[in-house]
Amino acid sequence: DIQMTQSPSSLSASVGDRVTITCRAGQRIANYLNWYQQNPGKAPKLVISAASSLESGVPSRFSGSGSGTEFTLTISSLQPEDFASYYCQQSYNTPLTFGGGTKVEIK
Amino acid sequence: QLQLQESGPGLVKPSEALSLTCNVSGASINYLNYYWGWIRQPPGKGLEWIGSIYYSGSTYYNSSLKSRVTMAVDTSKNQFSLKLSSVTAADTAVYYCATQRWSKGQWGAFDYWGQGTLVTVSS
Repeated sequence: DIQMTQSPSSLSASVGDRVTITCRAGQRIANYLNWYQQNPGKAPKLVISAASSLESGVPSRFSGSGSGTEFTLTISSLQPEDFASYYCQQSYNTPLTFGGGTKVEIK
Repeated sequence: QLQLQESGPGLVKPSEALSLTCNVSGASINYLNYYWGWIRQPPGKGLEWIGSIYYSGSTYYNSSLKSRVTMAVDTSKNQFSLKLSSVTAADTAVYYCATQRWSKGQWGAFDYWGQGTLVTVSS
């Protein structure tokens, strides 16, 4: 199984801050890496697919980068609606696996 | 707009089977570029992929659950289902159904999700 490790597990930030979340894969996965945002009590929402492809309707302040084993999700200027949990997920092979999540909280 | 809706019992007794159905609307389950997946999330914890099924019935299951999981698709009803046998308290979770992109033999992201349904395993 491909282990996905996210860091940090939580962070505190203010509106307007630049935030970066890292995801490391246990083996090379090319660009088969997806990012999801999840608000409490809600289903996850796809924000970035294939490491860097912004999903339709997702604000351009979100961006993704990386290839191989190391990936990042960046929010360039944090907005109130961005305080949520974020998960990475590899779609390179089965079993499909998720990172442990990063909770972005208000400072 | 594609929509997914999970349904099934919210309470299951230990050692019994958990059965859920996902109703698909706004698209045909015969869509060639999707697998149809189940993901779960224990309260306060992260996401775990359970398995995915194609309209043809081809399945992929998480090896950690494989011996207890059965998925099926009903194209006439445009829905797919999950059965998890011999449940324990560790199977208590919110269960989501989702579409999974599939192209040229390669998995993609889960792009449409149901709202999720909480299943509690308790006597």
